[in-house]
Amino acid sequence: QLVESGGGLVQPGGSLRLSCAASGFTFRNYWMHWVRQAPGKGLMWVSRINIDGSATTYADSVKGRFTISRDNAKNTLYLQMNSLRAEDTAMYFCASGYSLGFTYWGQGTLVTVSS
Amino acid sequence: QTVVTQEPSFSVSPGGTVTLTCGLSSGSVSTTYYPSWYQQTPGQAPRTLIYSTNTRSSGVPDRFSGSILGNKAALTITGAQADDESDYYCVLYLGSGNWVFGGGTKLTVL
Repeated sequence: QLVESGGGLVQPGGSLRLSCAASGFTFRNYWMHWVRQAPGKGLMWVSRINIDGSATTYADSVKGRFTISRDNAKNTLYLQMNSLRAEDTAMYFCASGYSLGFTYWGQGTLVTVSS
Repeated sequence: QTVVTQEPSFSVSPGGTVTLTCGLSSGSVSTTYYPSWYQQTPGQAPRTLIYSTNTRSSGVPDRFSGSILGNKAALTITGAQADDESDYYCVLYLGSGNWVFGGGTKLTVL
């Protein structure tokens, strides 16, 4: 099970930190991802982190503004989002990775960037 | 910029068979892109159907199958049911730790 938290309303230029608590599987053995979905739009891959946090990748649209991290001792994934823009408004899902796809999904946390 | 293409919409009759495809704006999709497929109904989280081209996720009925057809990845649903009416997304692994989703296909069962 994956449970996201930390979403909310934030002003443009602001920051927010999302969390994703994992249970029921061996979190430290899985790559983890963030995927987002703007209202009424499709899914967009945002970021991925490897099992020990030593390698991260980002979609071009968030590179330099977002930082993915994980704490395997706490079975928790994070997404630090800075310099937020209106176009970052979306439901943010965390997902575990397997065989270069995604397996388990959380229910999502909504981020709204608006003044 | 790589664009992953999907049919915007498709319809199928109950009990019928439908094949949704996933292509690239330039080039062909092969197994090296590890295509995977996800089902999403409004207001819900995505559900994993297929990963690594043709491996069904746990609990997914064998009515759902994945393949490469020509130069595209494909998701085939046989014996379509009313609750298959959903949005379907493919995603391709582009290498170097990057993934791209297709725009999704809205499937109507009627």
